Amino acid sequence: GQQLNQSPQSMFIQEGEDVSMNCTSSSIFNTWLWYKQDPGEGPVLLIALYKAGELTSNGRLTAQFGITRKDSFLNISASIPSDVGIYFCAGPSPQGGSEKLVFGKGTKLTVNP
Amino acid sequence: DAGVTQSPTHLIKTRGQHVTLRCSPISGHKSVSWYQQVLGQGPQFIFQYYEKEERGRGNFPDRFSARQFPNYSSELNVNALLLGDSALYLCASSPFLDLYNEQFFGPGTRLTVL
Repeated sequence: GQQLNQSPQSMFIQEGEDVSMNCTSSSIFNTWLWYKQDPGEGPVLLIALYKAGELTSNGRLTAQFGITRKDSFLNISASIPSDVGIYFCAGPSPQGGSEKLVFGKGTKLTVNP
Repeated sequence: DAGVTQSPTHLIKTRGQHVTLRCSPISGHKSVSWYQQVLGQGPQFIFQYYEKEERGRGNFPDRFSARQFPNYSSELNVNALLLGDSALYLCASSPFLDLYNEQFFGPGTRLTVL
């Protein structure tokens, strides 16, 4: 089935550092979604991207929809301890239409105070 | 306002048993989707229901079934449980049919199959 590849799998950073993570696919996506999941919780949508080349910010978070439509990037600036969690990219499966949503395996972020 | 609620929080079953998981969407949301999240993986789409009709199905065996009630709450049923069915089962609701609009996830039901 359709897969989204996220990298890195995990990151260990110091508070205040910037973070970059990405998500790639072998197929074209028309929408990219970035979610964060805290322990014991369901994922929460951070940013949605709908157009190739689009750059969207949400506070200290910035995400970009890759020009090729096969990748997306998420950056977090000046990380703080509450940024800890697992970050997932997701998108509607090209094969299944908008009724199927595909998630990557996630990037686990640890922030040391 | 209450978010998406799921019950039970945790569940332990043995192989071969069946299980029913329940989800109450945010008030006014007509779409409910179910996801399976195995430890260390991202959520995997199982079903979407919108206006009480199945609108999407993931690559899961027929042992998995679901339904949506007139009040838009939903149940996920899994028959003949296997060890590999152990996972966090997430429910998400949305006012929209399209899954690329914002969905609101519940905290999940942790199912352990022994």
